[in-house]
Amino acid sequence: QQPVQSPQAVILREGEDAVINCSSSKALYSVHWYRQKHGEAPVFLMILLKGGEQKGHDKISASFNEKKQQSSLYLTASQLSYSGTYFCGTVTTSGTYKYIFGTGTRLKVLA
Amino acid sequence: DAGITQSPRHKVTETGTPVTLRCHQTENHRYMYWYRQDPGHGLRLIHYSYGVKDTDKGEVSDGYSVSRSKTEDFLLTLESATSSQTSVYFCAILGGDEQFFGPGTRLTVL
Repeated sequence: QQPVQSPQAVILREGEDAVINCSSSKALYSVHWYRQKHGEAPVFLMILLKGGEQKGHDKISASFNEKKQQSSLYLTASQLSYSGTYFCGTVTTSGTYKYIFGTGTRLKVLA
Repeated sequence: DAGITQSPRHKVTETGTPVTLRCHQTENHRYMYWYRQDPGHGLRLIHYSYGVKDTDKGEVSDGYSVSRSKTEDFLLTLESATSSQTSVYFCAILGGDEQFFGPGTRLTVL
């Protein structure tokens, strides 16, 4: 029932790009992305709503394919500060705010 | 800061004892959540609340109960702690489009 994220882990050099995928077995109403640094609480990055509206980070983008029940997070020209674990949070029912988070993707950016 | 605190921050207890974790917010938000975080599983929803006395179960609610008698407080109780409930517990509030998370409580059940 938890959305599955891929890859589970990725290592990049500064300036490289990465894509993190989130796949749900249920129809999605909205998808939220969070980043968690080691020993800290998760922090909101962006929200994607059914219908295409997107709000959030100015240097990280994402897509939402409602038909495929998937979302992808695009990290371009990665910086050291991008290191952390990324989670997608999904809402499967309109009008509720019951979030189910994905399994997480560990990303490490090397200098 | 979003005005959300958790107490205690760390706790070690023994199997079979009751444990209550507290989440407190100063933002007057309607929605509050309890998650547990374990390696390989990410964040899993235990229970959430959409108002005073209004709560609903999440994915992993067995062995946990919650109460919300005031807007600002959301309590998570483990009636009889087990070693499988050793975890980091995060509380969160929903403000607009985003969840704000508390600092977490590290619970160890021996």
